[in-house]
Amino acid sequence: QLVESGGGLVQPGGSLRLSCPASGFRFAGHVMAWVRQAPGKGLQWVSGISGGSEDKFYADSVKGRFTISRDNSKNTVYLQMNRLRAEDTAIYYCAKDSSRVGMFNDFDLWGQGTLVTVSS
Amino acid sequence: SYVLTQPPSVSVAPGMTARITCAGDNIGRKPVHWYRQRPGQAPVVVIYYDTDRPSGVPERYSGSNSGNTATLTISRVEAGDEADYYCHVWDSGSDQYVFGTGTKVTVL
Repeated sequence: QLVESGGGLVQPGGSLRLSCPASGFRFAGHVMAWVRQAPGKGLQWVSGISGGSEDKFYADSVKGRFTISRDNSKNTVYLQMNRLRAEDTAIYYCAKDSSRVGMFNDFDLWGQGTLVTVSS
Repeated sequence: SYVLTQPPSVSVAPGMTARITCAGDNIGRKPVHWYRQRPGQAPVVVIYYDTDRPSGVPERYSGSNSGNTATLTISRVEAGDEADYYCHVWDSGSDQYVFGTGTKVTVL
């Protein structure tokens, strides 16, 4: 199970930190990702992190503003979002890579999402 | 960056076959995954690694991938198949996951 939290209303230029505690699987063995969906729009991958935090990946649109991290002792993945813009408004989903074949597979478990609204 | 293009919409009558395409440069060289997203819900994987089905997904769902196009096929379409569908790959060239633009399937 994945349960996102930390969303809300923030002004442009502000910051938010999303959290996603996980349960029911060996957390450290999986790449974890954040995927967002703007209102009425499609899915957009945002960021991913390897099981041991050695590798972190970002979409071009958030590089330099967002930081992904994880705490395997707490089975939790985080997304620190700085310098937020109106176009960052979206539902943010936490997702688990299936690890069927090494890294970078399908996402076989998703949370229900947390809404981030960037507006003055 | 790598781009995956899907038709915005596909309409199909109950009992017929829906085919959803996902176009990308040499996509046949990459494993493709497909998700179904019903209104107000999180996405669910319905096909992974081009052709494999997770347990619980009906055999009516199948996939193929060759050349520049991957295809999700839904046979004997039912009202419950009405949803948005997305293809998904890992692009090693940019070290990024990429989602397709999405296709809304409407059951007439």
